[in-house]
Amino acid sequence: DIGMTQSPDSLAVSLGERATVSCKSSQSVLYNSDNKNYLAWYQHKRGQPPKLLIYWASTRESGVPDRFSGSGSGTDFTLTITNFQAEDVAIYYCHQYYTTPQTFGQGTKVEIK
Amino acid sequence: QVQLQQWGAGLLKPSETLSLTCAVYGGSFSGHYWSWIRQPPGKGLEWIGEISHSGSTNYNPSLKSRVTISVDTSKNQFSLRMTSVTAADTAVYYCARRYDWNDRLDFWGRGTLVTVSS
Repeated sequence: DIGMTQSPDSLAVSLGERATVSCKSSQSVLYNSDNKNYLAWYQHKRGQPPKLLIYWASTRESGVPDRFSGSGSGTDFTLTITNFQAEDVAIYYCHQYYTTPQTFGQGTKVEIK
Repeated sequence: QVQLQQWGAGLLKPSETLSLTCAVYGGSFSGHYWSWIRQPPGKGLEWIGEISHSGSTNYNPSLKSRVTISVDTSKNQFSLRMTSVTAADTAVYYCARRYDWNDRLDFWGRGTLVTVSS
């Protein structure tokens, strides 16, 4: 299985500031034949299902605010939230869909400072 | 807009069989893959398995011996069956749509809490 490790486990961000979440995979999720990173990010709020934010490591899902962005390649990835808003309080998960079984990071809890 | 509506028994005794169904409304049923994911209390997400509209399945090896995912294309529904449950299977179970083969999970059901307790 590909292990997914996120850091930090939690962070507190002031409104209007930047939040950065890291995700490292135990092996590359870059598929050489199509040059795509098989990595997604989800936002999970209490009592709601996870919501897809980013796929192919950096493609923003339709309707997702542009303050959310993804970057990275191979084994190291970052989710950045700029201009942090109160509604962004959630747990964020990275997810590799490069191989079966698909696996998720342990989650990063993002709160307001 | 795609919606996934799921249901099933929420309280089971050890050794019983978990059974959940997910109905898909909106969008194409045949063009995607249909997944189950769970989240134990206080823990992260665990992928259980998936099925295509034609019935081709993939399972998490850690659960494969106890899990069956089936599809009913006439109703645009798919189901999860897990045998011999224990307290460790207590979790919120989500159904979700996988956009394509080896692709992201783009729509999720609201989740069903399944508790296993004697």
